[in-house]
Amino acid sequence: GQQLNQSPQSMFIQEGEDVSMNCTSSSIFNTWLWYKQDPGEGPVLLIALYKAGELTSNGRLTAQFGITRKDSFLNISASIPSDVGIYFCAGRISPSNTGKLIFGQGTTLQVKP
Amino acid sequence: DTGVSQNPRHKITKRGQNVTFRCDPISEHNRLYWYRQTLGQGPEFLTYFQNEAQLEKSRLLSDRFSAERPKGSFSTLEIQRTEQGDSAMYLCASSLRQGAQETQYFGPGTRLLVL
Repeated sequence: GQQLNQSPQSMFIQEGEDVSMNCTSSSIFNTWLWYKQDPGEGPVLLIALYKAGELTSNGRLTAQFGITRKDSFLNISASIPSDVGIYFCAGRISPSNTGKLIFGQGTTLQVKP
Repeated sequence: DTGVSQNPRHKITKRGQNVTFRCDPISEHNRLYWYRQTLGQGPEFLTYFQNEAQLEKSRLLSDRFSAERPKGSFSTLEIQRTEQGDSAMYLCASSLRQGAQETQYFGPGTRLLVL
């Protein structure tokens, strides 16, 4: 089936450092979403992107919808301990009337105080 | 709390038993999705509803799985004759389709363990 390649798989950083993760696909997407998931909980939406080239921020988080429509990245600036968790990219293939999302494998972030 | 809710949060069952999970979406949302997530993986799409109509089912949804959304509000996901491979987190999400934009909001999930 369709897959998203998300990297890196895991990151262990010092508090205060900036973080970058990305997703790539062989298919064109019309939507990119970034979620954070804590253990035992459902994914929580961080940022939604709907147009190629779109750059959107949410506090210390910034995400972009790639120009080719096949990739997206998420940056976290000045990381803090509560940023710990698993980050997932998710996208919707274009063209499509279905709303189903395809998820990446996740990036596990650990922050050392 | 106006978010997506799921019940139960945890379910332990013996192989061969039937289980049913419930999802209550955000009230004005017309679409409802079910996903399955195994350890270390991202969620995988199972099926979705627009109002009460089930519009798409994944090949992951075997004949032992059935989902309903009888009045276009809450939904149930039933697994019959459970197998150990059914052990996973079952996630529900809802959305309001508005033109080309649609954002899914997830519930806390139901974690199923089949012994």
